[in-house]
Amino acid sequence: DADVTQTPRNRITKTGKRIMLECSQTKGHDRMYWYRQDPGLGLRLIYYSFDVKDINKGEISDGYSVSRQAQAKFSLSLESAIPNQTALYFCATSDLGSGGSTDTQYFGPGTRLTVL
Amino acid sequence: GESVGLHLPTLSVQEGDNSIINCAYSNSASDYFIWYKQESGKGPQFIIDIRSNMDKRQGQRVTVLLNKTVKHLSLQIAATQPGDSAVYFCAENGDSSYKLIFGSGTRLLVRP
Repeated sequence: DADVTQTPRNRITKTGKRIMLECSQTKGHDRMYWYRQDPGLGLRLIYYSFDVKDINKGEISDGYSVSRQAQAKFSLSLESAIPNQTALYFCATSDLGSGGSTDTQYFGPGTRLTVL
Repeated sequence: GESVGLHLPTLSVQEGDNSIINCAYSNSASDYFIWYKQESGKGPQFIIDIRSNMDKRQGQRVTVLLNKTVKHLSLQIAATQPGDSAVYFCAENGDSSYKLIFGSGTRLLVRP
C-alpha cells in the first residue's frame, strides 16, 4: 500500500549493530504497529502505538524499542542486533473503527533484515 | 518475499476454478475477522473482513464464511486467476478491540 512506506526495504547488518527501521504513513491514521514475519509463523506483533504519546508492548517486544515521532511516523530500533532477529518487518496503520470496534490494519511493503 | 511460507500448506487450483481456503481460529471471544493476501515481496493486502454478527459476506469474486460454532473461517475465490497466486492469512481480534492475531497462512498456486 503506497500510503504506508517503509525504509529501508532491505538491510544486511552484523551482530551487535544498532539498526533503525522507519515507517511513514499518509493515511492520517492514529494507530501504528510493528510486526515481524518468520516462515511458517505468520505475523507477530512487536509494538503498537495509539497516538504520539502512547507506546505499548506487543507479543515479542524483547530486543526492540520504538519511537512515535509524529502521528505519521513510527520507527523500530534494534539496539544490538542478533541473528535470530533476521526476519521480514512490517509496519501497519489503522484508524479507530465506529463504536470503538476493531479496525482494519493496512500494511507497508516490508523491510527484509538480515543479521549476520 | 520468498522466505515467507517455506513450510506453508499449499492449495493448487486450475485457473478458472473456485478456490476455498480454510482457517481455524483460536479464540471464542473473537468478533472480528480479516483475510489478507500477501504476494511475493509485498506486505499483506486487505481482502475482506467479517464481524461475528454475520455468517457470510461477499466482495468482488471473494466470499468469507464464518462458522462460530466450530470456530472456522473460509475464503472462497470465484474463477481463480493467476494473479490470485499468493499467501493468504486469516486474522482474528481475540479479546482485543485493536490487536489482530494472525494465522500462519496458506499458499495458493494457480495452474494455467
